[in-house]
Amino acid sequence: EIVLTQSPGTLSLSPGERATLSCRASQSVSSNYLAWYRQKPGQAPRLLIYGASNRAYGVPDRFSGSGSGTDFTLTISRLEPEDFAMYYCQQYGGSPWPFGQGTKVEIK
Amino acid sequence: EVRLVESGGGLVQPGGSLRLSCAASGFSFSNHWMHWVRQAPGTGLVWVSRISSDGSSATYADSVKGRFTTSRDNAKNTLYLQMNSLRAEDTAVYFCARPYNWNDPPDYWGQGTLVTVSS
Repeated sequence: EIVLTQSPGTLSLSPGERATLSCRASQSVSSNYLAWYRQKPGQAPRLLIYGASNRAYGVPDRFSGSGSGTDFTLTISRLEPEDFAMYYCQQYGGSPWPFGQGTKVEIK
Repeated sequence: EVRLVESGGGLVQPGGSLRLSCAASGFSFSNHWMHWVRQAPGTGLVWVSRISSDGSSATYADSVKGRFTTSRDNAKNTLYLQMNSLRAEDTAVYFCARPYNWNDPPDYWGQGTLVTVSS
């Protein structure tokens, strides 16, 4: 079973700054089937990125995903107030479909 | 508009059972695979189960295998999660979620229902 490790655990930044989040897999993710979600407190997750680098419908272009194999990155080019939240990666290249433990992006 | 509404959560004693429901609307339910994902208070997301569009195939996380059963009634546009032999560590908000295609990550989620396992 693939284990996903996200880093850092917490990212302290100011609005307008760039955020770079990492997701590392314990083995290669099949077909780069790696997704990213944002979750605000008390809300359901929202799909941001699928296939490592494809933005989901309606997701602003300040969000971008990159990477392949075992190393993946989510970049938020300029943080908006609504971006201060938890972020999770998930692999879906084969069952089970584990999530990473999450990265919290907080206001500095 | 796609809508997923979970229900059936509540307080249950360890060793007890509970059945969650997820009522779907705004899309052709019978054409979509469905997922259950849970989140214990203050912790991260944990994938629980996935079921095929016709209900013939379901897969589970090791932590719930043999205790939880996912099923669906396509005539009622409803997804179910039967939870047996519940443990304290099953305490969580349970979300149902829908992917666009069978092997896509879920892009629509319900708001979740809270299950508390405690004596």
